Amino acid sequence: EDQVTQSPEALRLQEGESSSLNCSYTVSGLRGLFWYRQDPGKGPEFLFTLYSAGEEKEKERLKATLTKKESFLHITAPKPEDSATYLCAVQGISGTYKYIFGTGTRLKVLA
Amino acid sequence: DTGVSQDPRHKITKRGQNVTFRCDPISEHNRLYWYRQTLGQGPEFLTYFQNEAQLEKSRLLSDRFSAERPKGSFSTLEIQRTEQGDSAMYLCASTPEVGGVETQYFGPGTRLLVL
Repeated sequence: EDQVTQSPEALRLQEGESSSLNCSYTVSGLRGLFWYRQDPGKGPEFLFTLYSAGEEKEKERLKATLTKKESFLHITAPKPEDSATYLCAVQGISGTYKYIFGTGTRLKVLA
Repeated sequence: DTGVSQDPRHKITKRGQNVTFRCDPISEHNRLYWYRQTLGQGPEFLTYFQNEAQLEKSRLLSDRFSAERPKGSFSTLEIQRTEQGDSAMYLCASTPEVGGVETQYFGPGTRLLVL
């Protein structure tokens, strides 16, 4: 059964303190891995799609990387506005197009 | 704004009542998904449409839940005889059928509270 585990559950950083969020996954075959940002009371906002091991994508202070078993979301010099829940999801090749989500990492960046 | 829209944004109902939510996908996106998200959890898949055809339903979708997508445009999700356990955020997402990996774009969600 496809499964996604995110760690840590919660993370508090000082402004400017870089860190990484982890997404470990088990899937019979990976079609894609996705990162989303979610603010309280809102729908997930798309950040990145990663397709294959070794791939990296960047957007402003965020960088996502992918291996065969896990993905990292690196946050460089975060700002308070980066505070949100970061969700990881996988889409397998089993014939269905649904996403399997992790429970997310709640990030709080303190000024 | 050409994103996914959902209506209503909030719904409070009493146990036993029926509720219906609407989702308007991004124009020309022919795949549409419904997810449910409870506090502190990631979204969980409920059902998926390709055009007007409902191609997959999760076991989470009990017989009190029904979804439709007439004419392959907007979709509705109805919950009959609501229970307190149905309280959650209901999310809709859409994606174009381009083959390969397809990014799902989410709406703002409908937050349901069953009293």
